[in-house]
Amino acid sequence: SQTIHQWPATLVQPVGSPLSLECTVEGTSNPNLYWYRQAAGRGLQLLFYSVGIGQISSEVPQNLSASRPQDRQFILSSKKLLLSDSGFYLCAWADRIIYFGEGSWLTVV
Amino acid sequence: RKEVEQDPGPFNVPEGATVAFNCTYSNSASQSFFWYRQDCRKEPKLLMSVYSSGNEDGRFTAQLNRASQYISLLIRDSKLSDSATYLCVAFEGNYQLIWGAGTKLIIKP
Repeated sequence: SQTIHQWPATLVQPVGSPLSLECTVEGTSNPNLYWYRQAAGRGLQLLFYSVGIGQISSEVPQNLSASRPQDRQFILSSKKLLLSDSGFYLCAWADRIIYFGEGSWLTVV
Repeated sequence: RKEVEQDPGPFNVPEGATVAFNCTYSNSASQSFFWYRQDCRKEPKLLMSVYSSGNEDGRFTAQLNRASQYISLLIRDSKLSDSATYLCVAFEGNYQLIWGAGTKLIIKP
């Protein structure tokens, strides 16, 4: 069966520090992969999506970046975090249905 | 711009009541639709798919009205455990997912 994992689950980072969130998918090949951010009490904001290795599309301008070094691995990064980067980050993959990872709570202090 | 709109609520509903949500979507070419449930500080999880012919799963019924471009979710005999945020999503094929912002439901004893 297909599963998706992301980590870390929670992290507290100082302003200006780097970020790396990782997501891996099992049980499928060539999935469409997504990174979303959700501010408290708000909807899902699409940050990046990828339809294949090395193919990244950005939906909003920001200081975040994404990479897909392997077919089932999707990484969200930042070189210097801002306070406004705080939120709930969700990795997802979609076939006919959308599956989410467990989410990563980021607090930038 | 492609959009999916939901009433953000909150809907405060007594236990045992019936509650209905709607989502309207702007792109008539959207291919498939789903309802997701999101508990506080958790990832969204698939509740049910939405078909023109209707889809019923226990106390939950989902319906798609392509002519009027909306989808609906009906919850009968609501339980305290139904309290959550309900998200609708239009799947546009390939990779595009258009999410509603979510409707918060609070079931009161």
